[in-house]
Amino acid sequence: GQQLNQSPQSMFIQEGEDVSMNCTSSSIFNTWLWYKQDPGEGPVLLIALYKAGELTSNGRLTAQFGITRKDSFLNISASIPSDVGIYFCAGVFNDYKLSFGAGTTVTVRA
Amino acid sequence: DSGVTQTPKHLITATGQRVTLRCSPRSGDLSVYWYQQSLDQGLQFLIQYYNGEERAKGNILERFSAQQFPDLHSELNLSSLELGDSALYFCASSVSSIPENSPLHFGNGTRLTVT
Repeated sequence: GQQLNQSPQSMFIQEGEDVSMNCTSSSIFNTWLWYKQDPGEGPVLLIALYKAGELTSNGRLTAQFGITRKDSFLNISASIPSDVGIYFCAGVFNDYKLSFGAGTTVTVRA
Repeated sequence: DSGVTQTPKHLITATGQRVTLRCSPRSGDLSVYWYQQSLDQGLQFLIQYYNGEERAKGNILERFSAQQFPDLHSELNLSSLELGDSALYFCASSVSSIPENSPLHFGNGTRLTVT
């Protein structure tokens, strides 16, 4: 299947920090999606990106669709404790299948 | 609440057995997708149905099968279960048949444990 490389694999946040994660692929994407999964629940859509270069915000979240169509990043500004969870990037290739990255686990730093 | 309902929430069964997982999509959604999430594999696409017809197939084993009924609910059947089939199984739904046009909304999953 198609490969999405998501980094970092995990990160620790301190309340108030800005954090960033990204996703890359060797193939061109038509759509990039960012999801968040809380324990015991299914992934919830955060942001959808449909055009190369597109920059979209959803509250404290900002995501961009890379110009090359092979990458995307997600920024969380002024993080709060409820930002912990697993963040997944997902992309739709020309085969119309939605593939997911391995996820970035965000934990609060003690 | 995504509007996607999955039952049961938990399922524990023995190797060699067969189970059925059920999914009701959001009202108005015609597409249903099944994903498997295990610790070392992430979210793996299994299969998609659109308005009762199979639309796309992913890494679904031959021991697994699915269908979508006229009322649009879907069932995922897993047979000859092996220990490695233990995972979270998610159903997602969307309005259109093309995920790039209408993002997927996920249910809360069925946790399958094979002992």
